[in-house]
Amino acid sequence: AQSVTQLGSHVSVSEGALVLLRCNYSSSVPPYLFWYVQYPNQGLQLLLKYTSAATLVKGINGFEAEFKKSETSFHLTKPSAHMSDAAEYFCAVSEGPGGYNKLIFGAGTRLAVHP
Amino acid sequence: KAGVTQTPRYLIKTRGQQVTLSCSPISGHRSVSWYQQTPGQGLQFLFEYFSETQRNKGNFPGRFSGRQFSNSRSEMNVSTLELGDSALYLCASNPGSGNKETQYFGPGTRLLVL
Repeated sequence: AQSVTQLGSHVSVSEGALVLLRCNYSSSVPPYLFWYVQYPNQGLQLLLKYTSAATLVKGINGFEAEFKKSETSFHLTKPSAHMSDAAEYFCAVSEGPGGYNKLIFGAGTRLAVHP
Repeated sequence: KAGVTQTPRYLIKTRGQQVTLSCSPISGHRSVSWYQQTPGQGLQFLFEYFSETQRNKGNFPGRFSGRQFSNSRSEMNVSTLELGDSALYLCASNPGSGNKETQYFGPGTRLLVL
């Protein structure tokens, strides 16, 4: 079965600093991987996704992620944090062939950005 | 295009009651999925409907059920509510073509069971 592990339930960075949110996955088939962001009292918004094309994926709001098969990782980065980036971030894997649209989520990482 | 809408946004029920939540997908999307989000268990997949048929199901008891109508709108029902059913219920839609498709989420329905 597929699974996702997000290291660090809380990450705190200064405004302007690098953001690095870690995600490792477990999958017996080539995975489709997603990063979503959730702001308070809202649903999930897609930041970016990996669907077996380029391993470096660029998303919205300056975020990007690199798929590393050898490390089974899909870490999310942003060169310079902004106060508006404070939110909860979820990494997810789409279950393989036959799993249709079932997303398996990590536990989430809450990002705090301080001045 | 309008996004995914969910009604109601907030709901308070008591134990033993039943509840029905509604989800209207993005126009043209044929797949609707439901997720439960709680602080303890995180985001968990409930089920997915495509063309009025349940195509995939998560590990939830039979008290949780759903359906999809011919216009792709979906409802989920929880019977005999328990305190542990208190959660944010999220609906997501996508065109239904495959696993690569982006899931577009609604704002959720927050259910509180007293």
